[in-house]
Amino acid sequence: DIVMTQTPSSQAVSAGEKVTMSCKSSQSLLYNENKKNYLAWYQQKPGQSPKLLIYWASTRESGVPDRFIGSGSGTDFTLTISSVQAEDLAVYYCQQYYNFPLTFGSGTKLEIK
Amino acid sequence: QVQLKESGPGLVQPSQTLSLTCTVSGLSLTSNSVSWIRQPPGKGLEWMGVIWSNGGTDYNSAIKSRLSISRDTSKSQVFLKMNSLQTEDTAMYFCARTIDYPGIPYYFDYWGQGVMVTVSS
Repeated sequence: DIVMTQTPSSQAVSAGEKVTMSCKSSQSLLYNENKKNYLAWYQQKPGQSPKLLIYWASTRESGVPDRFIGSGSGTDFTLTISSVQAEDLAVYYCQQYYNFPLTFGSGTKLEIK
Repeated sequence: QVQLKESGPGLVQPSQTLSLTCTVSGLSLTSNSVSWIRQPPGKGLEWMGVIWSNGGTDYNSAIKSRLSISRDTSKSQVFLKMNSLQTEDTAMYFCARTIDYPGIPYYFDYWGQGVMVTVSS
């Protein structure tokens, strides 16, 4: 199975600050045939189900604010929130879909100071 | 408007079988795939398996021997059955519309609210 490692496990930032979180995979998620990275990001707010933010590592889902930016390739990926808002309080998960079984990282919990 | 809603018993005895239903609206099961994903309390997400738009299934090998996913397209329902439940199966169970390439699940763009299942005597 592909292991997804997310760091940090939690971080606290003030509203308006920029935040970055990392997701590393145990093998490359880049499919050479189409040059796509098979990685998605989700946001899970307290008491809610996960919400899709980003797919193909950098494509924003419709309706997701443009302050959420996905980047990276191969085994190293980053989710950046350019200017954190209070409503961004959540746990963020990455997920690979390069191989069966689909696997998720353990999450990064974002807290607002 | 796409909606998915899980239902099922909140409490299951150890060694018994779990049966859950995912009722979907706003999409057709004959042209959409649906996965089950679970989340133990305070922990991360585990993909369990998928039922494809053609009715075929694929499962996470870690639980494949205990899991079965089926559907009733006339009722727009997807079913999960998992046997030999243990306390470590206590989790929130979600169903989710799965974006896919034929035979390959990708990501999940619509999720149900989840149903909490506790395995305890």
